[in-house]
Amino acid sequence: NAGVTQTPKFQVLKTGQSMTLQCAQDMNHNSMYWYRQDPGMGLRLIYYSASEGTTDKGEVPNGYNVSRLNKREFSLRLESAAPSQTSVYFCASRFGTAYEQYFGPGTRLTVT
Amino acid sequence: QQQVKQSPQSLIVQKGGISIINCAYENTAFDYFPWYQQFPGKGPALLIAIRPDVSEKKEGRFTISFNKSAKQFSLHIMDSQPGDSATYFCAASRGGFKTIFGAGTRLFVKA
Repeated sequence: NAGVTQTPKFQVLKTGQSMTLQCAQDMNHNSMYWYRQDPGMGLRLIYYSASEGTTDKGEVPNGYNVSRLNKREFSLRLESAAPSQTSVYFCASRFGTAYEQYFGPGTRLTVT
Repeated sequence: QQQVKQSPQSLIVQKGGISIINCAYENTAFDYFPWYQQFPGKGPALLIAIRPDVSEKKEGRFTISFNKSAKQFSLHIMDSQPGDSATYFCAASRGGFKTIFGAGTRLFVKA
């Protein structure tokens, strides 16, 4: 039982490049989330998926797209990376109506 | 925009001392108030949580105090240990789908 896994762990992009961050969970959770963490800002919700086939915007969705590929996987795509998207990205999941979220180890992204 | 305000930004405590982190929220519709603990290079993990119908919850050395009328809640870490050195986030949620996090407090416990 690996919990929530994220790939890659680190990534450096040039401005304008695109990439997809991958997230998978093996806990049979219904909801999945993408957050970004910046110094002094806490965690801010980018997008979430309440169930397979649905996605909704969070606080800071601009510049990102998501895909809930199946119940296990939820990916985050940056179509044209900008330096303002330099951050640590966390994926999380939640089971049913329980409130606790389980977080992955994060992806540290630098855009130059 | 809904906010959760957390203070202090950083905290240094002697081993064996009490660490206190405070949070304030605005939206009275929030129905779940968790604290997450994050070690360097790791994702946050749930430490302890409380519902607004309870004024205090204790789990081991960790206690949440909740003041509904003041819209404030706090985390107390008793007998703080060097292993407690981490970043702590308070948060608030309504219905579970959207959780608003505070800015975080970096705690350092001196041996």
